[in-house]
Amino acid sequence: EAGVTQFPSHSVIEKGQTVTLRCDPISGHDNLYWYRRVMGKEIKFLLHFVKESKQDESGMPNNRFLAERTGGTYSTLKVQPAELEDSGVYFCASSPSPMATDTQYFGPGTRLTVL
Amino acid sequence: GENVEQHPSTLSVQEGDSAVIKCTYSDSASNYFPWYKQELGKRPQLIIDIRSNVGEKKDQRIAVTLNKTAKHFSLHITETQPEDSAVYFCAAKSPHSGSARQLTFGSGTQLTVLP
Repeated sequence: EAGVTQFPSHSVIEKGQTVTLRCDPISGHDNLYWYRRVMGKEIKFLLHFVKESKQDESGMPNNRFLAERTGGTYSTLKVQPAELEDSGVYFCASSPSPMATDTQYFGPGTRLTVL
Repeated sequence: GENVEQHPSTLSVQEGDSAVIKCTYSDSASNYFPWYKQELGKRPQLIIDIRSNVGEKKDQRIAVTLNKTAKHFSLHITETQPEDSAVYFCAAKSPHSGSARQLTFGSGTQLTVLP
């Protein structure tokens, strides 16, 4: 079974530019999560999709971040315009239907560097 | 919302010795506690988890204990090997956090097993 995949693995952009991160969850997983780890700190929750619907976006830092999951398959996270403090590793995770296991399977992350 | 504290931030042990990482959580209603291992450059991988109706769980050389009264849980690794070197994250899931499916993570412990 293929795991969660993320693209790109690394991105280096300048302040003010736009970056779009992509996550492909495990096939059949309705739940998709975005997390972020900044400066070696804890992994922080950003938002949660169930299929194409945003269930919880309480962790989104501000309106420069936009997440979508059209069709309920892959998801994108766009940062526009990027700021220095957005640097970090962005993780995506997925889990099966709400009635199944709590286990969340993580992708390898996208390391974003904003200069 | 939930808050998870993790200690120590770094831990060095000799090969063959045991390692213990401790976490505390704030929401007494939290009911799921996974531990993830992240090797350098790789994705966080679930290594063991425990639910609030269980006090201890073992899987070969790793074990997790949960004290609901004190609101803390610990990861125990016995007979450590160099390949156990990684960053370990504890997490908790609270029914009071957003969609009740987000994980709240500790800040991570860098474990180094010295040969």
